[in-house]
Amino acid sequence: SQQGEEDPQALSIQEGENATMNCSYKTSINNLQWYRQNSGRGLVHLILIRSNEREKHSGRLRVTLDTSKKSSSLLITASRAADTASYFCATYSGAGSYQLTFGKGTKLSVIP
Amino acid sequence: EADIYQTPRYLVIGTGKKITLECSQTMGHDKMYWYQQDPGMELHLIHYSYGVNSTEKGDLSSESTVSRIRTEHFPLTLESARPSHTSQYLCASRGGLSTEAFFGQGTRLTVV
Repeated sequence: SQQGEEDPQALSIQEGENATMNCSYKTSINNLQWYRQNSGRGLVHLILIRSNEREKHSGRLRVTLDTSKKSSSLLITASRAADTASYFCATYSGAGSYQLTFGKGTKLSVIP
Repeated sequence: EADIYQTPRYLVIGTGKKITLECSQTMGHDKMYWYQQDPGMELHLIHYSYGVNSTEKGDLSSESTVSRIRTEHFPLTLESARPSHTSQYLCASRGGLSTEAFFGQGTRLTVV
């Protein structure tokens, strides 16, 4: 079963607006990551937040983590058409924490 | 840019054929992963390996098999392809204590 669940499944916004995507997970984690996937291609790592962190910034990205609610959010500020992609949260689980499992993803469309 | 390569990028094959999807990385990573991504975007972990001669099944039951004879190579084989195997297959790797996974560009498989 998937460790992470994102919402919304799809999001359409105008260029310049902010985009917020949410992720919930099921088991205890040491860290949570966000990845981006351009249409039909491989995923690219965006940012990692550790379980003892509540918020982290990287450029126009802001990630929050609430371990009590087992949830995380990814905020993209001042969105651009080039931000159009699918975004996934990911966590490690299983024996040895080798298994990297992904949420269902949010498909973001930024309209110029 | 990640040094992880998948071949072929696209493959159309008839039902019942045996196929092998190739995945190679030049980063010396010990951990490698195979994911199946359905049209709705969700990624399902089907196999992973944490080193040479170690392979494990992931969350999604799969009729495929994998091998890890060399660190850099993690091929996935379907003994008898079926239309239900039509999907995008993504390979990923990560090294040592690093949490960041690097992805190949994917193989889009169509079984007719």
